[in-house]
Amino acid sequence: EAQVTQNPRYLITVTGKKLTVTCSQNMNHEYMSWYRQDPGLGLRQIYYSMNVEVTDKGDVPEGYKVSRKEKRNFPLILESPSPNQTSLYFCASSPNRDGNTIYFGEGSWLTVV
Amino acid sequence: QKEVEQDPGPLSVPEGAIVSLNCTYSNSAFQYFMWYRQYSRKGPELLMYTYSSGNKEDGRFTAQVDKSSKYISLFIRDSQPSDSATYLCATGRNYGGATNKLIFGTGTLLAVQP
Repeated sequence: EAQVTQNPRYLITVTGKKLTVTCSQNMNHEYMSWYRQDPGLGLRQIYYSMNVEVTDKGDVPEGYKVSRKEKRNFPLILESPSPNQTSLYFCASSPNRDGNTIYFGEGSWLTVV
Repeated sequence: QKEVEQDPGPLSVPEGAIVSLNCTYSNSAFQYFMWYRQYSRKGPELLMYTYSSGNKEDGRFTAQVDKSSKYISLFIRDSQPSDSATYLCATGRNYGGATNKLIFGTGTLLAVQP
């Protein structure tokens, strides 16, 4: 089954404690990205990657890092989480650059206290 | 001004009703338009996409784009309780090397009452 898998799905952490949200896709897609979804603000892109070792900032990259060492994996790293990073995070992948076919993961609920 | 504006709802309709969901956008350079459906505690899933003005139909769903007025619509005919979800419009454009950038609306929460 084609899917984008994120872990953890739910996490409560404390300010400043580094965490990583993993993302893996089994569709051999070149393009992957991370979004956060907040009430009243909708989905906003954090980072994206067009291929292995190629990443770039989206609209809200501050406080996040990513890496793309393998085609299937695109982890999101919060080096020093802060409460304003409490959000619902989605990893997504797409087979093309046009963005007209994006597959989203199930989401990761992150709370930073 | 947000690049894509969408009424958050909630919108409540009886089963069988025709539903109209709408978005407006500000950038005339946007080239493609999409609707996503998001069930509670799930990721968005693509419903419809189109590159041009006019209508595109898929079963009970019709997407409509009017580029002259920068208006995007999704119509759902014979609405079912299983259509209850948040509907997100999205639009985007080619940015040369970085073409895969979408701008999403904030979503409209739809409830179809049995």
